[in-house]
Amino acid sequence: AQSVTQLDSQVPVFEEAPVELRCNYSSSVSVYLFWYVQYPNQGLQLLLKYLSGSTLVKGINGFEAEFNKSQTSFHLRKPSVHISDTAEYFCAVCNNAGNMLTFGGGTRLMVKP
Amino acid sequence: DTEVTQTPKHLVMGMTNKKSLKCEQHMGHRAMYWYKQKAKKPPELMFVYSYEKLSINESVPSRFSPECPNSSLLNLHLHALQPEDSALYLCASSQMASTGYGYTFGSGTRLTVV
Repeated sequence: AQSVTQLDSQVPVFEEAPVELRCNYSSSVSVYLFWYVQYPNQGLQLLLKYLSGSTLVKGINGFEAEFNKSQTSFHLRKPSVHISDTAEYFCAVCNNAGNMLTFGGGTRLMVKP
Repeated sequence: DTEVTQTPKHLVMGMTNKKSLKCEQHMGHRAMYWYKQKAKKPPELMFVYSYEKLSINESVPSRFSPECPNSSLLNLHLHALQPEDSALYLCASSQMASTGYGYTFGSGTRLTVV
């Protein structure tokens, strides 16, 4: 079985400040890790993914994430946020078979002017 | 074409109605999924189709009936729904052999049951 925990349900931050959204996972086998963003009344858009190799993964819109196997974490970071980054962010884990994508509870990023 | 297209975008139906949600992709993906998302909650898996065959049913009530007519289409037939079934229904697809591409999601159908 696999599970994902997003430690913060809401993260308020001022524009141009750095932000980190935390994600921890548990699984008995190796997994693939993803971050998705959901803007209001829209579907989910893939931000970035970790499959193997380099533990630092760069994605779209200036986001990056670091895979830490010993801490079973996959935290998402951005050095300087914009108002347009206000959205819901979901961390997700996928099993090796690729047919079971499990989401964390989500973190609402609120960027204030 | 790198999109998953869902229709309709919005649907209001009564508890005695029969309706269908449609999902289409032309990326050659051989796995397709239905997710249900309630407000302020993460998406929850309902069904998984792999090579047009139902491979996972997450104990979904029978008033939801999926159908995969071919490798590009996925339908969700709705009948005798309850108000608590109101939610955003998301379709997704992925390449089965490799998960490296992740899932591609549609923009969803917002369903309201009255």
